[in-house]
Amino acid sequence: GDSVTQMEGPVTLSEEAFLTINCTYTATGYPSLFWYVQYPGEGLQLLLKATKADDKGSNKGFEATYRKETTSFHLEKGSVQVSDSAVYFCALLNNAGNMLTFGGGTRLMVKP
Amino acid sequence: GAVVSQHPSRVICKSGTSVKIECRSLDFQATTMFWYRQFPKQSLMLMATSNEGSKATYEQGVEKDKFLINHASLTLSTLTVTSAHPEDSSFYICSASRQGVGQPQHFGDGTRLSIL
Repeated sequence: GDSVTQMEGPVTLSEEAFLTINCTYTATGYPSLFWYVQYPGEGLQLLLKATKADDKGSNKGFEATYRKETTSFHLEKGSVQVSDSAVYFCALLNNAGNMLTFGGGTRLMVKP
Repeated sequence: GAVVSQHPSRVICKSGTSVKIECRSLDFQATTMFWYRQFPKQSLMLMATSNEGSKATYEQGVEKDKFLINHASLTLSTLTVTSAHPEDSSFYICSASRQGVGQPQHFGDGTRLSIL
C-alpha cells in the first residue's frame, strides 16, 4: 500500500535559519502530495500541494518540489520564524482521491 | 477562510455518556468526508470514510457500534462516540474535499474529547 516517511523530530532551529524537512513516499500510479501544518491544539491546515511530477508548491515562504525520480517531496524554507513552530505532516493522496496517507509528523521548534 | 467547520472544539464528560461531533463543509458540497483520530504526539489515524446517503466505510480495528457516523447531507457529517469511556479520550478531526483530481482535504479544527 501507499506510505509516507518523513524525518523524525523534533527539529530545533534558531530564527532565520534554513529549514529542510525530508519526506519520501511509496505509491502506485500518480499521487498528489501535500504538506499540512498543525499548530498546538488545532486541526490541520493545508500549507502547500503539488499534483504532478516537477510541480513546485509554495506558500508563506515554504516550498516543496514533487520529485518522481527520487519519490520525494522535501519541505524547505529559507528563513524560519518563531511563529513557524508547529508540527508538519507530509501526505499523499491516491489516484482515486479517496485515501490520504500521512507521514508521522515532524515537530519544528524555532528559538528566538 | 475556513472551509470545514467542526463542533464542538472541546468536550469533557462522564464515562458512559454519548458524544456527538459535527463536521460541516461551509462553501462546497462534500459527498465524502473523513474522520480521523490523533493520539498525543502522533500522526492522524483514519477511522472511517463517510459517504452521503450510504453507510460509512470503517477502517480495520475501528468499532462500528462505538463510533456511529451519519452523513445526513452534502454539507454535514456527524460522529457519535457511544457510551464513551476514558480510553476514547482523544483528538478527533474531520476533513472534506471538493470533487476533482488532486483536490486536497480540508480539515476541521478538531475536537478534544476528554472522558472522566
